[in-house]
Amino acid sequence: DAMVIQNPRYQVTQFGKPVTLSCSQTLNHNVMYWYQQKSSQAPKLLFHYYDKDFNNEADTPDNFQSRRPNTSFCFLDIRSPGLGDAAMYLCATSRVLTDTQYFGPGTRLTVL
Amino acid sequence: DQQVKQNSPSLSVQEGRISILNCDYTNSMFDYFLWYKKYPAEGPTFLISISSIKDKNEDGRFTVFLNKSAKHLSLHIVPSQPGDSAVYFCAASRQHDMRFGAGTRLTVKP
Repeated sequence: DAMVIQNPRYQVTQFGKPVTLSCSQTLNHNVMYWYQQKSSQAPKLLFHYYDKDFNNEADTPDNFQSRRPNTSFCFLDIRSPGLGDAAMYLCATSRVLTDTQYFGPGTRLTVL
Repeated sequence: DQQVKQNSPSLSVQEGRISILNCDYTNSMFDYFLWYKKYPAEGPTFLISISSIKDKNEDGRFTVFLNKSAKHLSLHIVPSQPGDSAVYFCAASRQHDMRFGAGTRLTVKP
C-alpha cells in the first residue's frame, strides 16, 4: 500500500541535543510538509518542499531545519530542542500544492 | 491568528443517530475544505473534501456542507457508529496554505 511513513514513532531527546525526525513516502508525491501539533491544538505548518524547492513559514523558528535528499525522503532537524518543542510532528504529502494532503502517523517528541 | 475554528471540543452521540460537526473560518480566500479523522497514536486520515464551487459533497455516511456566505462548514455522519469515535479536524486551504481547526472529539455511544 502506498503510504507515508515516519520514524521513529516516539523520540526522546535532551534539552539542547540535536534531533532528526524522518519521513518517507511511497506515493511519489511532489510536495512534502512538516507540521507541529501540540496537545489540543491545530497542526501548525512549519515548512514544505515542492520537489527540491524549500518554503519556510514566516513564523517557523530558525531552530527548525529540513532536508529533502530525494523525492521519497524528508527530514526535520531540530538543532537545539527546547522544552517548548515537545510536540507531535506530522509529515504529510500531496501530489501538487492544491491537492489533498496525506499524513503519516506522526513522531511524538519528548524533550527532557 | 486562528483562521479556522472548531468551537466544540467534544461531542457525544448515540449510535444510529446523526453526528454534526461544525467549523468556521475567517479567510474568504480559502477555496478547498477538508475533514480529517484522527485516532489515538495515528496521523490524521483524510475523510472528505469540498471545493468552494460546491455547497455539498456526499460520500456514503459522510456529507460535508459548505456555506460560503456564513464561512461555515459542517460534517454530517449518519448513521453514527461506535467506530466513528475519533477526533475530527476541519481544514481550509488555498494552494499550499492549509489551516486546521483544533479538532472535535466525537464519541459515539453504543
